[in-house]
Amino acid sequence: EPEVTQTPSHQVTQMGQEVILRCVPISNHLYFYWYRQILGQKVEFLVSFYNNEISEKSEIFDDQFSVERPDGSNFTLKIRSTKLEDSAMYFCATRDRGYEQYFGPGTRLTVT
Amino acid sequence: QKEVEQNSGPLSVPEGAIASLNCTYSDRGSQSFFWYRQYSGKSPELIMFIYSNGDKEDGRFTAQLNKASQYVSLLIRDSQPSDSATYLCAVNRGYGNNRLAFGKGNQVVVIP
Repeated sequence: EPEVTQTPSHQVTQMGQEVILRCVPISNHLYFYWYRQILGQKVEFLVSFYNNEISEKSEIFDDQFSVERPDGSNFTLKIRSTKLEDSAMYFCATRDRGYEQYFGPGTRLTVT
Repeated sequence: QKEVEQNSGPLSVPEGAIASLNCTYSDRGSQSFFWYRQYSGKSPELIMFIYSNGDKEDGRFTAQLNKASQYVSLLIRDSQPSDSATYLCAVNRGYGNNRLAFGKGNQVVVIP
């Protein structure tokens, strides 16, 4: 069964550094999302992406965040200058023309 | 008012019993409703989705939707120890506004 994959599974970085989180969507899926979940809290929407552009973003998704689909297969989330409060699980989710979103295994980001 | 509320505390059920989970949402424009299962340290896994008022059954799971009262519920019949997880209710507005809004989740513990 096709799955969303994410790399790395765990990323440790120092405050102020840039990180890039990678996602490979299910092959025929057209809509891509990033969510995050701070430990013990609910899953929060960050951004949605369709047809090579952002279709919606939340108030969390400020200028330090960016997304792109550089090569037609990967979907990336870049955090330019990480802060302690960016420590969380980051999930990529994808869907086809239906409404069901399928989540990848996540990247645990730890900012020290 | 929270967008999606899941107010019940941890739910302990004996193996073989029915687990009942409830969720309310605030946005009357919401069109599609999802239940995800999340094991500790893992990503959300889609187990049920429902769009129309009424019941939808899939195996041991039944989702119930009442748009007039703005609630959605999940029943797990013949609960198994492997059902022990946190169940997340998620809502979106459907076409054109596809972000999922999640509740905090309800932890279910199935006691053998």
